[in-house]
Amino acid sequence: DAKTTQPPSMDCAEGRAANLPCNHSTISGNEYVYWYRQIHSQGPQYIIHGLKNNETNEMASLIITEDRKSSTLILPHATLRDTAVYYCIVRVAGGSGGSNYKLTFGKGTLLTVNP
Amino acid sequence: DSGVTQTPKHLITATGQRVTLRCSPRSGDLSVYWYQQSLDQGLQFLIQYYNGEERAKGNILERFSAQQFPDLHSELNLSSLELGDSALYFCASSVGETGGFPDEQYFGPGTRLTVT
Repeated sequence: DAKTTQPPSMDCAEGRAANLPCNHSTISGNEYVYWYRQIHSQGPQYIIHGLKNNETNEMASLIITEDRKSSTLILPHATLRDTAVYYCIVRVAGGSGGSNYKLTFGKGTLLTVNP
Repeated sequence: DSGVTQTPKHLITATGQRVTLRCSPRSGDLSVYWYQQSLDQGLQFLIQYYNGEERAKGNILERFSAQQFPDLHSELNLSSLELGDSALYFCASSVGETGGFPDEQYFGPGTRLTVT
């Protein structure tokens, strides 16, 4: 799986958009970008994933650059409950066999939403 | 609530002992994964089962073993425990063999193991 680079920490004011960057310059054509978050020792929570097109769901938007070497997770209106460690993960999705299914977590970005 | 349940929530035991952690996946999910989160190592993949069969192994110690039962629940057995095994242990589940489509994993609340 491709390695990712994220800033260790970021701050955001409540109600503003939080933009979390991720670099994955060695990503392969068949690798997806996934985002998970972990709120203080709870189980990680799936947020969103994408291959090359921008994606949006009820939680967030994912913007992937055209060359796919980086992406940005956008929380449009951050709340205090969005304070968490956000993990950007790149992996081959699906298929048969076992090793493609694991998630390899880096250190992530600690997002602190301030009132 | 992810739909994945883990028991117990907390476990305190002594070095040299053996413990069993239990996980029930979401309804319909065939794959179960175990992860360990310690302060120094972060979140690490241990092992994956799919429909009762072991599918992938990560950094799992020989003292640790797991299995998935016919009802799809899974157990992680940790033996000859050491102080360094103190960590949060998460179970996750997913649909599994999706034939090329993304396969999100849903995590349980974890079991906090403290070895004294």
